[in-house]
Amino acid sequence: GNSVTQMEGPVTLSEEAFLTINCTYTATGYPSLFWYVQYPGEGLQLLLKATKADDKGSNKGFEATYRKETTSFHLEKGSVQVSDSAVYFCALGEAGGSYIPTFGRGTSLIVHP
Amino acid sequence: SAVISQKPSRDICQRGTSLTIQCQVDSQVTMMFWYRQQPGQSLTLIATANQGSEATYESGFVIDKFPISRPNLTFSTLTVSNMSPEDSSIYLCSVERSGYTFGSGTRLTVV
Repeated sequence: GNSVTQMEGPVTLSEEAFLTINCTYTATGYPSLFWYVQYPGEGLQLLLKATKADDKGSNKGFEATYRKETTSFHLEKGSVQVSDSAVYFCALGEAGGSYIPTFGRGTSLIVHP
Repeated sequence: SAVISQKPSRDICQRGTSLTIQCQVDSQVTMMFWYRQQPGQSLTLIATANQGSEATYESGFVIDKFPISRPNLTFSTLTVSNMSPEDSSIYLCSVERSGYTFGSGTRLTVV
């Protein structure tokens, strides 16, 4: 079946540091890929998505590129802020319901001033 | 994207009782998903609910414990039946609309 693997957290960074959270997936065909963010005490929000190979999703300074050859969708940000502290979930799914949504375990990011 | 209203936001229930969670979507959607999220954990898909057909349950979840209704294209309910403390969790509904949109969640505590 389909699966999503994320790097274990927590990831602890100083403000303005570069962020990478690794995500790899296993799926047949071409699912859409997503990053979701969950701030403390809040629900899940879509951060960005990519629907086909080599697509780059971006939002709020975060970006991720759909790499079919390495089955990866790593999340990056050039300069993190304290307000980016949250749990980040990588996921696959959509394509008109052809895929059951599958989420990674989540990676906690802690940014210190 | 869709907007989902989920109720109740939280509840404390006695063991052996049942709780029904409601999700109302502001537009018609074909598929609705129900998840459980344990504290500090990822989302576990309970079932997929399509209007007009029986829900499809994931491994480890059964209809007797988590009956789902989907009477129309904008509404669904999940019931957690005969609750035990192990059912304490956050329950979320979700729809697919340019990515998955989630309800705000129901924080359930069983005592």
